[in-house]
Amino acid sequence: GENVEQHPSTLSVQEGDSAVIKCTYSDSASNYFPWYKQELGKRPQLIIDIRSNVGEKKDQRIAVTLNKTAKHFSLHITETQPEDSAVYFCAARTGFQKLVFGTGTRLLVSP
Amino acid sequence: DTAVSQTPKYLVTQMGNDKSIKCEQNLGHDTMYWYKQDSKKFLKIMFSYNNKELIINETVPNRFSPKSPDKAHLNLHINSLELGDSAVYFCASSRDVSNQPQHFGDGTRLSIL
Repeated sequence: GENVEQHPSTLSVQEGDSAVIKCTYSDSASNYFPWYKQELGKRPQLIIDIRSNVGEKKDQRIAVTLNKTAKHFSLHITETQPEDSAVYFCAARTGFQKLVFGTGTRLLVSP
Repeated sequence: DTAVSQTPKYLVTQMGNDKSIKCEQNLGHDTMYWYKQDSKKFLKIMFSYNNKELIINETVPNRFSPKSPDKAHLNLHINSLELGDSAVYFCASSRDVSNQPQHFGDGTRLSIL
């Protein structure tokens, strides 16, 4: 079945820096790749997603890139702010209609 | 106006008991899900229903039984609770089974004593 690996597991940056989180997936049939942000004690919230027919997508300070050949996708956050601190999860939707999540990246943005 | 609501928010109970978690969505979505998030924050799909029909049933002990009385509701009943069942259980919904965003509820934190 699908396996999604996510790196790094923790990421510390200074306010204003950029942050990059990378994920790889194993199932070449996967065609939808969302990213979720989960603050402490809260629910996962979708922040951006990308479909397999697109290579890049941007929404203000957040961007996601997808390389189908290499089977990896990345989340880029520019001009980080303390409120960006959270756990970020990547996911891949398999041909069996289920989302498989990565193991999460704890992002800490220091003022 | 919570889009996906779960009750209860917290559930503390003894090993061996039976408990239920309820989920309702008011988004008009066709598809609903149950996820388990363990102490290491790993999120894993348990079940998915589309139009009240079970479409995903992961390797979950048969002590867990989902029920979808209608498209807007998906409940989870757990028999003979074990220590390892302690986790946060999230309900989610999406418009349909295609590549649509999934919206999560606030979670139910289940603690087994």
